Amino acid sequence: EVQLLESGGGLVQPGGSLRLSCAASGFTFSSYAMSWVRQVPGKGLEWVSVISANTYSTHYADSVKGRFTISRDNSMNTLFLQMNNLRAEDTAVYYCAKDGWGPDYWGQGTLVTVSS
Amino acid sequence: DVVMTQSPLSLPVTLGQPASISCRSSQGLVYSDGNTFLNWFQQRPGQSPRRLIYKVSNRDSGVPDRFSGSGSGTDFTLKISRVEAEDVGVYYCMQGTHWPPKYTFGQGTRLEIK
Repeated sequence: EVQLLESGGGLVQPGGSLRLSCAASGFTFSSYAMSWVRQVPGKGLEWVSVISANTYSTHYADSVKGRFTISRDNSMNTLFLQMNNLRAEDTAVYYCAKDGWGPDYWGQGTLVTVSS
Repeated sequence: DVVMTQSPLSLPVTLGQPASISCRSSQGLVYSDGNTFLNWFQQRPGQSPRRLIYKVSNRDSGVPDRFSGSGSGTDFTLKISRVEAEDVGVYYCMQGTHWPPKYTFGQGTRLEIK
């Protein structure tokens, strides 16, 4: 059974940083691209970033480019999202998702709140 | 960027009746390899999104056969043949053909029981 468990969310001040983690199990993690998708509470879904299976390729939404960095440790079956210079508009639930012709399996999400 | 437009945004349905959600893209979604990367997701209240349909019409494992996807080019449809209480939630279409950005979602359609 595919399981994705995010952690690292919380309350941070504008301009601050957070590092999200996503622990994966139930599939061969190193064989799949992985994405982060976020959702402002009560609103729609916004893709944030994707990383290829071998870590060679990464892509970002324009809204986070230059501030967020996606990475992964295939030896630890873990996906990361380093978020710097956070803004109020980054407040959202962040989901990690396995990629199989688009996000197929999703974690339960971790809430990031950017507020002073 | 490709824009995904869903309609209706709110869909009240009587139990046991059919339901249909439309998704229109601002550009055709056929990729250079011939695939059309159009997926549908269900998000029940308080839950994470769950993929129902991938590449227009392929049901994911465990998805009831009352859900079906169809369409081509720029116009796509998710149909529920007979709505059940557990189908309440928000439904999103998503394209993965044209990027960046890698994936683009529709605004969501909220299905409720009338």
